[in-house]
Amino acid sequence: GIQVEQSPPDLILQEGANSTLRCNFSDSVNNLQWFHQNPWGQLINLFYIPSGTKQNGRLSATTVATERYSLLYISSSQTTDSGVYFCAVEAGANSKLTFGKGITLSVRP
Amino acid sequence: DGGITQSPKYLFRKEGQNVTLSCEQNLNHDAMYWYRQDPGQGLRLIYYSQIVNDFQKGDIAEGYSVSREKKESFPLTVTSAQKNPTAFYLCASSSRGRLYSNQPQHFGDGTRLSIL
Repeated sequence: GIQVEQSPPDLILQEGANSTLRCNFSDSVNNLQWFHQNPWGQLINLFYIPSGTKQNGRLSATTVATERYSLLYISSSQTTDSGVYFCAVEAGANSKLTFGKGITLSVRP
Repeated sequence: DGGITQSPKYLFRKEGQNVTLSCEQNLNHDAMYWYRQDPGQGLRLIYYSQIVNDFQKGDIAEGYSVSREKKESFPLTVTSAQKNPTAFYLCASSSRGRLYSNQPQHFGDGTRLSIL
């Protein structure tokens, strides 16, 4: 099956700093989503981005499908950005999302 | 408000006991999914259903069962055959796009299951 690798596994930032989170995948995809899991376990949709670039406030994401990677950018980080960020992909039409292991972000005041 | 409701938030299981986790959605989504998350890990797919009265096994279906009798409901039963059931369980749903491609999955708040 498709493999999803996220890097770095852990990231510590000072409040106000910028960061880039990376997701590599091993095959063509027709769906890619970025999620933020907060400390209570809630999984929040950030982006649905099988290709191209999208922005939502301080967050933006870019997927280069031909090179099999996606990047999530966080600018002017806040303590509320802390948590785990997951990339998940769907290959083929079987509706199965395969998740990476996540990137744990800690933003310090 | 539209959304996905999982209940209960916390559940305890005794040895040899079956337990059922509830998942209800009022988003009119065709597809529903169950995932398991272990500490420090990503989500793994247990079962999914793309239409009423039909469902498929995911990557870790052993020891679990599901039903899909209604579009809005997709309960998951953790059977006594599941020897390591302690985990965080998340339910999701999505609509179906053109050419059977799927739209983004949206998640409930999860159920934490522990063994007594």
